[in-house]
Amino acid sequence: DTEVTQTPKHLVMGMTNKKSLKCEQHMGHRAMYWYKQKAKKPPELMFVYSYEKLSINESVPSRFSPECPNSSLLNLHLHALQPEDSALYLCASSQAYTGNTIYFGEGSWLTVV
Amino acid sequence: SQQGEEDPQALSIQEGENATMNCSYKTSINNLQWYRQNSGRGLVHLILIRSNEREKHSGRLRVTLDTSKKSSSLLITASRAADTASYFCATEMNTGNQFYFGTGTSLTVIP
Repeated sequence: DTEVTQTPKHLVMGMTNKKSLKCEQHMGHRAMYWYKQKAKKPPELMFVYSYEKLSINESVPSRFSPECPNSSLLNLHLHALQPEDSALYLCASSQAYTGNTIYFGEGSWLTVV
Repeated sequence: SQQGEEDPQALSIQEGENATMNCSYKTSINNLQWYRQNSGRGLVHLILIRSNEREKHSGRLRVTLDTSKKSSSLLITASRAADTASYFCATEMNTGNQFYFGTGTSLTVIP
């Protein structure tokens, strides 16, 4: 099973709302990732968790708050977002050592109004 | 930016023809991976090539890696309409678990 599941598939939120994106994998991977992708652009790395600890934060604004409650789950908490944050948010996972494939979910489409 | 550059940005070919896209990157890497993305969907892994490998094949895909030039190419042979998608290279840094994507090539295969 090489599946990464993301929910919700679509989310519309106002600039004052608080919402969360969720990601789950059952491949035993100990590295999990959040990427942001704007239309016709490549995915941009946001955060990396390794063994449930945040290892990389690519200078992401604090209105995005990641959380890794256990080795299978990854959340992205959203608060006070801006319209320019509207994008496809992709979750991925891999083995925690180098040289491995990363597997992506289908993404969550976020629209900030 | 840690992204690689891909060229061409867009490629349109007839079904049955071969498609070649190139990726250049900036720093030393552990491996390079190629992904396909259909419009608005997640990324599908195609092939991984390690830094000590020069060429790899998988079905109709052939990937080369030249670490001295910091470049890679993806060849899709005998293309099909279903190959229409965006293709991205992604490099893993030597530090591990950091993957950065190239700018992508949009491939259109005309039936």
